[in-house]
Amino acid sequence: QITLKESGPTLVRPTQTLTLTCTISGFSLTTSGLGVGWIRQPPGKALEWLGIIYWNDDKRYTPSLRNRLSITMDTSKNHVVLTMTDMDPVDTGTYFCAQRLPFWSSFLELGFEPWGQGILVTVSS
Amino acid sequence: QSALSQPRSVSGSPGQSVTVSCTGTSSDVGRYDYVSWYQQHPGKAPKLMLFEVTKRPSGVPERFSGSKSGNTASLTISGLRTEDEADYYCCSFAGSNNFVVFGGGTKVTVL
Repeated sequence: QITLKESGPTLVRPTQTLTLTCTISGFSLTTSGLGVGWIRQPPGKALEWLGIIYWNDDKRYTPSLRNRLSITMDTSKNHVVLTMTDMDPVDTGTYFCAQRLPFWSSFLELGFEPWGQGILVTVSS
Repeated sequence: QSALSQPRSVSGSPGQSVTVSCTGTSSDVGRYDYVSWYQQHPGKAPKLMLFEVTKRPSGVPERFSGSKSGNTASLTISGLRTEDEADYYCCSFAGSNNFVVFGGGTKVTVL
């Protein structure tokens, strides 16, 4: 059974850096065709795709946040780490990690399933 | 503002059919057959309902179907059931620049 679970701080001060960890089980991060994406959702609002890391360490980021985001993986710990710098109250929301549907190429996305339960991050002084 | 446009809400009575539209552009929905749909109940994580416009993952009822015409994709729920009441989001691959975009979400209400 494939599971993902997000962990990290639930309160971050403005201008600080957010670091979230996605712990995966049931698959290997280095299996060809797989990858883990990050998606966030402000309270009461829509989903927003943030970025993805692939089995071959290739990465993609949403253009509007590219200069603030970094996604890395630690295969020994089965972790995928999201780092977002210069946090602002508008970044408040639930952050999800999700497995991409397997596909041989890292150049397109079919969808995401399963998802982690999400972690609510509040940015406030 | 989300890249893909969805109606804020749709509603139907049990047993009826409802359709949720998702309008993008010629750079995303119109160009690629990589549209997916997600169901999200309050306080829960999204669940994949359709991918590649029409394909259902294992376990998703046949009542859920998808289609696409031009820049607009659609999700149809037939034989509406109370447990279908949820938010639904469309998502599309958008090429090398934007890569993945989501819709603004539609609340489906079962009357």
